[in-house]
Amino acid sequence: EAGVTQFPSHSVIEKGQTVTLRCDPISGHDNLYWYRRVMGKEIKFLLHFVKESKQDESGMPNNRFLAERTGGTYSTLKVQPAELEDSGVYFCASSQGGASYGYTFGSGTRLTVV
Amino acid sequence: LAKTTQPISMDSYEGQEVNITCSHNNIATNDYITWYQQFPSQGPRFIIQGYKTKVTNEVASLFIPADRKSSTLSLPRVSLSDTAVYYCLVVLFSGGYNKLIFGAGTRLAVHP
Repeated sequence: EAGVTQFPSHSVIEKGQTVTLRCDPISGHDNLYWYRRVMGKEIKFLLHFVKESKQDESGMPNNRFLAERTGGTYSTLKVQPAELEDSGVYFCASSQGGASYGYTFGSGTRLTVV
Repeated sequence: LAKTTQPISMDSYEGQEVNITCSHNNIATNDYITWYQQFPSQGPRFIIQGYKTKVTNEVASLFIPADRKSSTLSLPRVSLSDTAVYYCLVVLFSGGYNKLIFGAGTRLAVHP
């Protein structure tokens, strides 16, 4: 079974530019989550999709961040325009949902804004 | 969501048993306890989950006392490859909707 795949693994962009991160969850997982860790901080929740619908986006830092999940399959997280404080590692995770299932995380995208 | 408290770091040696205790005094009736492991440059990896008493899998054991205000992750006979950050989380599962709230975790260093 393929795991959660994130692309790119690294991205370096200049302040003010746009970056789009992609996440391919495990096939059949309706739940998809985005998390991030900024330098020296804990891993923070950003948002949760159930299929193509946003279930909870309470962790999105501001309106420069836009997440989509087309057709309930892969998801993208766009940062526009990027700021220096957006640098960090962005993780995607998926789960089947329900009490007996843990999350499967991808390896993350390391974003550096210079 | 219940807040968790666990040691910032621990040291051990190869072949020893490691027990990491986590406190979650405000755990609610519907909350589960789950542990994740994270290696550098990787995402967190699910280790084990439980509600009460003891749960064991091929990787670890999880001990949860009757009051559920704490839990202990037990790693038998650790090796160098068990060096990682271990996160204790309390998760509410409700109708398939849940989210993980990460703390600082416990940084375990296994020495030769």
